[in-house]
Amino acid sequence: TQLLEQSPQFLSIQEGENLTVYCNSSSVFSSLQWYRQEPGEGPVLLVTVVTGGEVKKLKRLTFQFGDARKDSSLHITAAQPGDTGLYLCTRRGSARQLTFGSGTQLTVLP
Amino acid sequence: EPEVTQTPSHQVTQMGQEVILRCVPISNHLYFYWYRQILGQKVEFLVSFYNNEISEKSEIFDDQFSVERPDGSNFTLKIRSTKLEDSAMYFCASSSSGLTTDTQYFGPGTRLTVL
Repeated sequence: TQLLEQSPQFLSIQEGENLTVYCNSSSVFSSLQWYRQEPGEGPVLLVTVVTGGEVKKLKRLTFQFGDARKDSSLHITAAQPGDTGLYLCTRRGSARQLTFGSGTQLTVLP
Repeated sequence: EPEVTQTPSHQVTQMGQEVILRCVPISNHLYFYWYRQILGQKVEFLVSFYNNEISEKSEIFDDQFSVERPDGSNFTLKIRSTKLEDSAMYFCASSSSGLTTDTQYFGPGTRLTVL
């Protein structure tokens, strides 16, 4: 089983602070996706990264894929209460199925 | 914007009863999936479906589960004889292709409670 480890498990910060969350695997990703899930809703895709060393930016969110394609980070600048949610990394299987990490629960306090 | 819809939003059933969870994938999508999330646990893959047949299924997807695309729009998950441990959020997802970078769009989920 190819496990995904996400850290930290929980993160509570004040509005305006910066933060980074991590996703690690012992095996190489063919591609990695970051999703965000809010209570009572399904996961929503934020970004897909494919190439080692790739950096993608989505407004205040910066996603980095490790050179060896075994890890990824998500950095949020000047966090806002609307960023609160469960951040999940996923890997694609051979039949397109997604394997999810356990997630980082982010709470941004006003 | 097109979205995946699921009904019902919440289903309560007695242990041993059959339930059918319904999903309407995005209309031009070809690949369909069911996932589940037990409270406090990870989202887990159940099954993928393409061209009217199962592409892949997990160990969770045993003989009590089945999927069907009865018409051109609906995609259903049936649990024949529910158990207490089937209580979970069930998410349907769809994607337009099988490419590595293709996005799976998730529905809002059905919360199944087995009493």
